[in-house]
Amino acid sequence: EDQVTQSPEALRLQEGESSSLNCSYTVSGLRGLFWYRQDPGKGPEFLFTLYSAGEEKEKERLKATLTKKESFLHITAPKPEDSATYLCAGTGTASKLTFGTGTRLQVTL
Amino acid sequence: DGGITQSPKYLFRKEGQNVTLSCEQNLNHDAMYWYRQDPGQGLRLIYYSQIVNDFQKGDIAEGYSVSREKKESFPLTVTSAQKNPTAFYLCASSSRSGGNTEAFFGQGTRLTVV
Repeated sequence: EDQVTQSPEALRLQEGESSSLNCSYTVSGLRGLFWYRQDPGKGPEFLFTLYSAGEEKEKERLKATLTKKESFLHITAPKPEDSATYLCAGTGTASKLTFGTGTRLQVTL
Repeated sequence: DGGITQSPKYLFRKEGQNVTLSCEQNLNHDAMYWYRQDPGQGLRLIYYSQIVNDFQKGDIAEGYSVSREKKESFPLTVTSAQKNPTAFYLCASSSRSGGNTEAFFGQGTRLTVV
């Protein structure tokens, strides 16, 4: 059975303090690894898709990377508006998205 | 303006009542999905549809039913057989089935049993 595990559960950063969120996966025949941002009471907002180990994608202060066992979401010099829950999901030969439980990020001034 | 529209945003259900959650997309996507989100748990797949007039059960289909009569629409009915229906329900769509394209989500419906 496919599994996606995210850590830490919650992370509190000061503005400008860079860090990384981890997503460990065991997904049979990985076809795609996805990152989403979710604000309270809203639907997840798509951020990145990664398809193969070694791939990297960037958007503003966020960079996502992928290895054969993990994905990282690096946040550089975060701002308070980056506060949200970040979700990781994988899809493979089962052709359905398996989600992790998310990392709740809080960025303070 | 393309996107996925879920309605209503909030829904209250009495014990023993069936309720239907609406999901409409104008992205011309083939695949549509229903997820349930509970605090401290990841999104769990209820049902998905890869083409009109066809759908498959996800991981937690018991107590739910769906239909896919039109490409744009994928309504979810929460039946009285669902023992713990209070949750946040999310509808999503993707351009292809097969799982290697990103899914886009609606803004969700929060269902509460009263």
